[in-house]
Amino acid sequence: IQLTQSPSSLSASVGDRVTIACRSSQNITHYLNWYQQKPGRAPKALIFGKSNLHSGVPSRFSGSGSGTDFTLAITSLQPEDFATYYCQQSFNTLVYTFGQGTKVEIK
Amino acid sequence: QITLKESGPTVVKPTQTLTLTCTFSGFSLTTDGEGVGWFRQPPGKALEWLAFVYWDDDKRYSPSLNNRLTITRDTSEKQVVLTMTNVDPVDSATYFCAHRTAGPYYFDYWGPGTLVTASS
Repeated sequence: IQLTQSPSSLSASVGDRVTIACRSSQNITHYLNWYQQKPGRAPKALIFGKSNLHSGVPSRFSGSGSGTDFTLAITSLQPEDFATYYCQQSFNTLVYTFGQGTKVEIK
Repeated sequence: QITLKESGPTVVKPTQTLTLTCTFSGFSLTTDGEGVGWFRQPPGKALEWLAFVYWDDDKRYSPSLNNRLTITRDTSEKQVVLTMTNVDPVDSATYFCAHRTAGPYYFDYWGPGTLVTASS
């Protein structure tokens, strides 16, 4: 299963609404997770099962989609949200795959 | 509270074997469905999954590295060890371990990572 994220990078301002797409090469139903990674740091879980927030994640983050097309949305972008975001599938647990990442930069 | 921490050499010579240890706390790795995975990230590049061990000692490996990787667990010591044989400079990366949940199958907690450079 291959995951393709778009865009690979974007520039946005504090307060903007941002969306990141993740497309799967196969139907993965709802087994799609999102992670946030800041430079020099480990990834952090954001969303699991396409739309469930990991503990402690602010409600400005949301996930949607199903099958092969998924979206991560961040409403009212905050300074601490500038990071790289990865999608990851857990439909096929023989091989865990990630998207190539989307870097959210300050405009 | 779940925590994980990676340890191992910072430099390894090409052709040598790399051994990394993930020491964890806050879970036992005996709960039905849970597991620990290893990942890596070359500088400036995306995350790559390497290997995974289940609570029942079942194991999974990345097909692209399968014949070079071995993952083992020691639940009494609360450690998961990854060995990679025949290291090459392209294996230079930050290596992470992470806990996978028993239910929704996502990696909920990650170690801080350890940078490994393969160089002579």
